[in-house]
Amino acid sequence: DQQVKQNSPSLSVQEGRISILNCDYTNSMFDYFLWYKKYPAEGPTFLISISSIKDKNEDGRFTVFLNKSAKHLSLHIVPSQPGDSAVYFCAASEASGTYKYIFGTGTRLKVLA
Amino acid sequence: EAQVTQNPRYLITVTGKKLTVTCSQNMNHEYMSWYRQDPGLGLRQIYYSMNVEVTDKGDVPEGYKVSRKEKRNFPLILESPSPNQTSLYFCASSILRGLNTGELFFGEGSRLTVL
Repeated sequence: DQQVKQNSPSLSVQEGRISILNCDYTNSMFDYFLWYKKYPAEGPTFLISISSIKDKNEDGRFTVFLNKSAKHLSLHIVPSQPGDSAVYFCAASEASGTYKYIFGTGTRLKVLA
Repeated sequence: EAQVTQNPRYLITVTGKKLTVTCSQNMNHEYMSWYRQDPGLGLRQIYYSMNVEVTDKGDVPEGYKVSRKEKRNFPLILESPSPNQTSLYFCASSILRGLNTGELFFGEGSRLTVL
């Protein structure tokens, strides 16, 4: 049972346009969400996070939106750059002392120059 | 430089030959964890540790062992590797924040092939 789903395996976007990556979750106890970026032959690196008490968090070109009622979060990258081409994972955890992150399957973003 | 270091980065072995993948972090993090990444399945947690001598199973612990004798090290042990353990493995560490952790810092990965 996939508790965190990224339904789009891949996405292509023109340089300078907006990239929107989506993530859905099923566990209503999740209260902390993160996005990671992964380049080939490297480990995932933390990008941005959001707590369930917020509905938006921005960091430069990256914004994460959280819709708790829909159990949906999205990552917006504006403007997209070729260096953003990578696999993006969303992850969720609950403040229950289980200390477990559940990751989605990833979305491969390709930004076309 | 803050980092999580895994070794070996690449390994080809045969079924049944015990192996250990080491993981070390220099950030004094309490929390350490192992994940495996497989096509179409994302990152799945194998084991995690909240501090020295405290470990617990993740979602896919079968066939793996871990130990946490020192805060900085968290080795992953495959006592009798099988081909279904062919995967890309990541070690990660984090601080603990109450009932949750902070963001995870990942190593560069260890690609293991079991023939």
